[in-house]
Amino acid sequence: GQQVMQIPQYQHVQEGEDFTTYCNSSTTLSNIQWYKQRPGGHPVFLIQLVKSGEVKKQKRLTFQFGEAKKNSSLHITATQTTDVGTYFCAGPYSGAGSYQLTFGKGTKLSVIP
Amino acid sequence: DTAVSQTPKYLVTQMGNDKSIKCEQNLGHDTMYWYKQDSKKFLKIMFSYNNKELIINETVPNRFSPKSPDKAHLNLHINSLELGDSAVYFCASSQDGASGNTIYFGEGSWLTVV
Repeated sequence: GQQVMQIPQYQHVQEGEDFTTYCNSSTTLSNIQWYKQRPGGHPVFLIQLVKSGEVKKQKRLTFQFGEAKKNSSLHITATQTTDVGTYFCAGPYSGAGSYQLTFGKGTKLSVIP
Repeated sequence: DTAVSQTPKYLVTQMGNDKSIKCEQNLGHDTMYWYKQDSKKFLKIMFSYNNKELIINETVPNRFSPKSPDKAHLNLHINSLELGDSAVYFCASSQDGASGNTIYFGEGSWLTVV
């Protein structure tokens, strides 16, 4: 079925280092969303990208949507311990007349103080 | 106020039992979902439901059944629990079933089957 591939599965960084997670879809997406799940918590919406080549920033987080709308990335500059968690990308896939948001397998970020 | 609330938060039960997880959203959304997150943190959609249709992920065993008394509630009933059902179950909602909707998750229900 439709799926979103996300790499890496795990990333350990020293505090202050940068971090990037990548997402690829087998098909063109109308939009892509990013979520963050803190340890023991629930996924929380971060951002949605809609336009081809779109770049959005939230403080130290930079989100990109590829020109072909098949891939996306999340880059965190100068990681902090508060960035710890699992980051998921998610894309909508149509089926049976409606859309279902399909999540990538997530990238678990650990930040070493 | 909690937007999507689910109960219980923790549930430990024996194999073969039947259990339910309740979910309520106060966002006025039309679409609700159940997601399963396994030990590897993979988030898989189980059901999506609005007042028009129920969409079932074909990989979900028929021991799992969603029950919706009204559009603000979507409960999950599980029959004959198995060890492999141990996971975190997230209820979620979105404004409607359109492709650009943000998903709002509940805090999760940790189910352990022993």
